[in-house]
Amino acid sequence: AQTVTQSQPEMSVQEAETVTLSCTYDTSESDYYLFWYKQPPSRQMILVIRQEAYKQQNATENRFSVNFQKAAKSFSLKISDSQLGDAAMYFCAFQEYGNKLVFGAGTILRVKS
Amino acid sequence: DTGVSQDPRHKITKRGQNVTFRCDPISEHNRLYWYRQTLGQGPEFLTYFQNEAQLEKSRLLSDRFSAERPKGSFSTLEIQRTEQGDSAMYLCASSPAGTVNTEAFFGQGTRLTVV
Repeated sequence: AQTVTQSQPEMSVQEAETVTLSCTYDTSESDYYLFWYKQPPSRQMILVIRQEAYKQQNATENRFSVNFQKAAKSFSLKISDSQLGDAAMYFCAFQEYGNKLVFGAGTILRVKS
Repeated sequence: DTGVSQDPRHKITKRGQNVTFRCDPISEHNRLYWYRQTLGQGPEFLTYFQNEAQLEKSRLLSDRFSAERPKGSFSTLEIQRTEQGDSAMYLCASSPAGTVNTEAFFGQGTRLTVV
């Protein structure tokens, strides 16, 4: 069974600075997707960024980028120029093609002004 | 609003009562998922449907839990004889069928409190 591990229960970053959230996963599959989801307090979960395992190029979405290391089964999220609105719980998730999501336990990100 | 909607948003029930939650997915999405999220944890998969067929159920889904998607549109999740351990956020998500571009869109969830 696939597992996803987020080893940082909580992280803090100063506004405008950069922060990296860590995620490792375990799978025997070669084709899959990886995701970072953001869950603001009392609001619905939204997709931040996705990575297809067959792509070597790291995904980027504006201030959000990932460092995908397939051999190491590592998938970290870098948030540049952090903003107050980035404060939320962030979940790393794994998905076999067309299948359910397997989530990590999450990392609370606090942004200090 | 064309997103995933869940009803009710909050439910408080006494132990032993039955509760039912509803999820309306994005209309063109074939797949519908139910997850359970306890405080401070990531969502855990419960079950999923492709159209009206229930294709997978987690072992977390005890015989007190039942889910349906009778016409391949909305879905209901029923919990019978609720227990305090059932207190959690129940999340619904939908996605297109297929193996590419299967981004899941989540509803705001139903928070269940069993007293």
